[in-house]
Amino acid sequence: DARVTQTPRHKVTEMGQEVTMRCQPILGHNTVFWYRQTMMQGLELLAYFRNRAPLDDSGMPKDRFSAEMPDATLATLKIQPSEPRDSAVYFCASGLDQAFEQFFGPGTRLTVL
Amino acid sequence: GEDVEQSLFLSVREGDSSVINCTYTDSSSTYLYWYKQEPGAGLQLLTYIFSNMDMKQDQRLTVLLNKKDKHLSLRIADTQTGDSAIYFCAESTDQTGANNLFFGTGTRLTVIP
Repeated sequence: DARVTQTPRHKVTEMGQEVTMRCQPILGHNTVFWYRQTMMQGLELLAYFRNRAPLDDSGMPKDRFSAEMPDATLATLKIQPSEPRDSAVYFCASGLDQAFEQFFGPGTRLTVL
Repeated sequence: GEDVEQSLFLSVREGDSSVINCTYTDSSSTYLYWYKQEPGAGLQLLTYIFSNMDMKQDQRLTVLLNKKDKHLSLRIADTQTGDSAIYFCAESTDQTGANNLFFGTGTRLTVIP
């Protein structure tokens, strides 16, 4: 059955290292969202793509975060260099423009030591 | 900007009804959503309501919208232990669908057997 996949599911890294998280949206979906979930801030939208073009990345710290869609089947979120405050669960979601539902992946739990 | 608020915790006994409340500030909201997050998983859409509706019922779920007071509620009838999860209210002002969702902090529902 169709679902959003994310890799890795868990990542532990040391401060200063580069982290790359990957997302495979549901085939045929043309919108992709990256969210970050923490206890303190809740669920925050980091970036939003439509037809692979970034539409809104205002929620993303630009100095260290970058989000791309190399092709329609892959979205990436990179953090370089990573910091302990980046520790969170990062969710990818995909959907169809003009539809009512975003389909969430299982998330990547990132721990930066 | 948009602000969506929820109480953080709710406990109910199995078989009772649960009512989860949400308030939002943006009067131009077009769609309002309830998402469910089970432990270790991503968010899953439960139901949504268009802003020109007052009520929507789907099996054990009843959504009530008071647009004047900007208040949304989710009632779960005959609450089961499997309903234990975090419930997120979300709103969108996008006329075309589920883009640019703004999520509340989530309400953790605990069902006591």
